[in-house]
Amino acid sequence: GAVVSQHPSRVICKSGTSVKIECRSLDFQATTMFWYRQFPKKSLMLMATSNEGSKATYEQGVEKDKFLINHASLTLSTLTVTSAHPEDSSFYICSAIRDSSYEQYFGPGTRLTVT
Amino acid sequence: AQKITQTQPGMFVQEKEAVTLDCTYDTSDQSYGLFWYKQPSSGEMIFLIYQGSYDEQNATEGRYSLNFQKARKSANLVISASQLGDSAMYFCAMKNTGGFKTIFGAGTRLFVKA
Repeated sequence: GAVVSQHPSRVICKSGTSVKIECRSLDFQATTMFWYRQFPKKSLMLMATSNEGSKATYEQGVEKDKFLINHASLTLSTLTVTSAHPEDSSFYICSAIRDSSYEQYFGPGTRLTVT
Repeated sequence: AQKITQTQPGMFVQEKEAVTLDCTYDTSDQSYGLFWYKQPSSGEMIFLIYQGSYDEQNATEGRYSLNFQKARKSANLVISASQLGDSAMYFCAMKNTGGFKTIFGAGTRLFVKA
């Protein structure tokens, strides 16, 4: 099956700093990647849809200036949490799809803790 | 608007027994896909099973089967012969065919008792 990796798996950063999370499709080209946020014991909340070479489409209520998404290639999308605050602490999960595939391939997630 | 409803926040099942996790959905689209994912405590999302809205047969994947009742807009997951490793969070999800967005239900936490 298709493999999606995320790096780092865990990150602790200080309030006010920025942190970048990478999402890579290892064995396929992902035309579209998604970024989700998951609070403890809650469902996945779609933050944005990322298409290679174009601007990300953000869901309502998600601050695009705070959560910067770059989909620079068909195998890499990055999420940068800028000027992080403790309330940004969460589990961030990316997923990727291939053309003509109904299935999303999820990364293992990144647990962000802002102190 | 599309919506996925999972009404069981938590479920208990005895090891080796079968369990049904409920999922109902709402959509005005004719063509859509329904998914079930498992999320263990490690956090990874594991794809379990898929049902297309035009599929006439219920999907099955090993111990997992999807009880698809289109008229009732329900897509319940049946896990047969539960194992201790099945203890996890389970999410029902839906995506329009040809669309990109997937919406998720609130999830059901399954506890398998020895």
